[in-house]
Amino acid sequence: DAKTTQPPSMDCAEGRAANLPCNHSTISGNEYVYWYRQIHSQGPQYIIHGLKNNETNEMASLIITEDRKSSTLILPHATLRDTAVYYCIVRGAGGTSYGKLTFGQGTILTVHP
Amino acid sequence: DVKVTQSSRYLVKRTGEKVFLECVQDMDHENMFWYRQDPGLGLRLIYFSYDVKMKEKGDIPEGYSVSREKKERFSLILESASTNQTSMYLCASSDSHMIEAFFGQGTRLTVV
Repeated sequence: DAKTTQPPSMDCAEGRAANLPCNHSTISGNEYVYWYRQIHSQGPQYIIHGLKNNETNEMASLIITEDRKSSTLILPHATLRDTAVYYCIVRGAGGTSYGKLTFGQGTILTVHP
Repeated sequence: DVKVTQSSRYLVKRTGEKVFLECVQDMDHENMFWYRQDPGLGLRLIYFSYDVKMKEKGDIPEGYSVSREKKERFSLILESASTNQTSMYLCASSDSHMIEAFFGQGTRLTVV
């Protein structure tokens, strides 16, 4: 699976949009981009995933660049409860990598009042 | 709501003990996973199972074994616990499409 690079930490004001970047320059054509988050003392929680098109759900939006080498997770109106570690993961759709979610260090997002 | 339940939230065991960590999911998921999480190392995959009685090694299987006799239950076994296995252990499950993995709350194991 392709490796991802994320900033170690970011801050955001409550009510503002939080934009979390991720670089995955070695991503291959059949690999998906996934985002999970982990709130303190809980297990990771799925947020969103995409292949090449932008995606939106009730939690967030995912913007993937046209060359697919980077992506941005957007929390449109961050709240204090969005303070968490956010993981960007690239996962293959088949073969030996199927089913394996490889977590990096993630980005610690702190939302301030 | 999908629920992944781990049998213990906190566990203290002695070096050399055989330790069982149990995980149960209630959504009839095919895939189940065991991770450990350590500061500075993130989450690392120990073992996963894609069907009853099937198992695959993850990235750090040494010192661990697993058992999946029933679809809803996936057990992680530490045959002889050691202090370097002190960690947070997380179980997860997903269906065959692997779109979303659901995690349990974790078991914080301390080996003394």
